[in-house]
Amino acid sequence: DIQMTQSPSSLSASVGDRVTITCQASQDIRKYLNWYQQKPGKAPKLLIYDASNLETGVPSRFSGSGSGTDFTFTISSLQPEDIATYSCQQYENRPLTFGGGTKVEIK
Amino acid sequence: QVQLVESGGGVVQPGRSLRLSCAASGFTFSSYDIHWVRQAPGKGLEWVSVISHDGSKKYSADSVKGRFTISRDNSKNTLYLQMNSLRDEDTAVYYCAKEQRYYGSGTFDFWGQGTLVTVSS
Repeated sequence: DIQMTQSPSSLSASVGDRVTITCQASQDIRKYLNWYQQKPGKAPKLLIYDASNLETGVPSRFSGSGSGTDFTFTISSLQPEDIATYSCQQYENRPLTFGGGTKVEIK
Repeated sequence: QVQLVESGGGVVQPGRSLRLSCAASGFTFSSYDIHWVRQAPGKGLEWVSVISHDGSKKYSADSVKGRFTISRDNSKNTLYLQMNSLRDEDTAVYYCAKEQRYYGSGTFDFWGQGTLVTVSS
């Protein structure tokens, strides 16, 4: 199985800050990586697919980059409504696997 | 609009069975692969199983293989998860999730609200 290592596991930042989360795959997954946002008590929401493509309707302050084994997710200017847990997910191989999640809080 | 509504969760004793359902609307159900993904309390997301658009192909995680069976009824726009021999570690919120693309890729663009399964004696 492909292991997805996400860091940090949590972070605290101020409104307007640039926030960066990394995800490392245990083997080459090419561009086959997604990012999801999950607010407490809610289902996950797709933000980024194919490593860098913004899902329809998602604000442009969210972005993703990377390929191979190393990926980055960025919120260019943190907003109060961005408080959530963010998770990466690979789909190069089954079983599909997720990172452990990054909980983003407001400082 | 796309809607996925799970049902069937509840409290069940270890070793017993439960069947979850996921009612879909707002899209051509028979054209898309559909997945089950679960999340144990306070934990991350875990992919469980997928079924192809026509029901001909099914894949499951090793953790549930031989115990859980995914199925679908395209005439009813409904997905199922038959869960047998339940264990404590199966306690989780179970989500159904729709594939983003017709040909299936492993990208989930719509999720249900989830249904909680608690395995406890």
